[in-house]
Amino acid sequence: GAVVSQHPSRVICKSGTSVKIECRSLDFQATTMFWYRQFPKKSLMLMATSNEGSKATYEQGVEKDKFLINHASLTLSTLTVTSAHPEDSSFYICSARDRLEGVQETQYFGPGTRLLVL
Amino acid sequence: AQSVAQPEDQVNVAEGNPLTVKCTYSVSGNPYLFWYVQYPNRGLQFLLKYITGDNLVKGSYGFEAEFNKSQTSFHLKKPSALVSDSALYFCAVRPYNTDKLIFGTGTRLQVFP
Repeated sequence: GAVVSQHPSRVICKSGTSVKIECRSLDFQATTMFWYRQFPKKSLMLMATSNEGSKATYEQGVEKDKFLINHASLTLSTLTVTSAHPEDSSFYICSARDRLEGVQETQYFGPGTRLLVL
Repeated sequence: AQSVAQPEDQVNVAEGNPLTVKCTYSVSGNPYLFWYVQYPNRGLQFLLKYITGDNLVKGSYGFEAEFNKSQTSFHLKKPSALVSDSALYFCAVRPYNTDKLIFGTGTRLQVFP
């Protein structure tokens, strides 16, 4: 149980285009999902918290107009990198919390999406 | 500021020997504590967590972690390391008043045959 998927696993795009990354909780419902960015040999940086049916909460320094987040259902959140530039190249990882776990809830992570902007 | 420290960038251990990956934290209140493992080009896999109760927590793949409140530590341990345990290990803390995880910088574990 507690499986989170991401699609695509890897994407290469041209500078100026937009890229959408999907994060799905496959066997549980997630009222909250999180989007992280990981640089090579670095820790995870929380970008935003995505709540089902409401606007995402962005961390300080993260441009909400550049990184659009939509959490339209209890099993799907999407991150759209708009007008991507080479500096947006990174490993993007999502996580989801099982709403039934209550206060002991664990964040379960997706396999990540490698974005390369040329 | 709230933070998590993993003082060792890399830990090397011979297969069959015990391993310890260190983690200390600076967080107010009683946090929830987690360990995750990451294999190359993959997301994080949950290993174990401490919420309350027994200070020794057992998790996946034979790993365990010991919570020490006085030392604000949550070291990851395994009695006998396997080559397949070689990966990047992250300690994470969730302060009691938030749903966000604060991650350490990660420790690369290398188990040699």
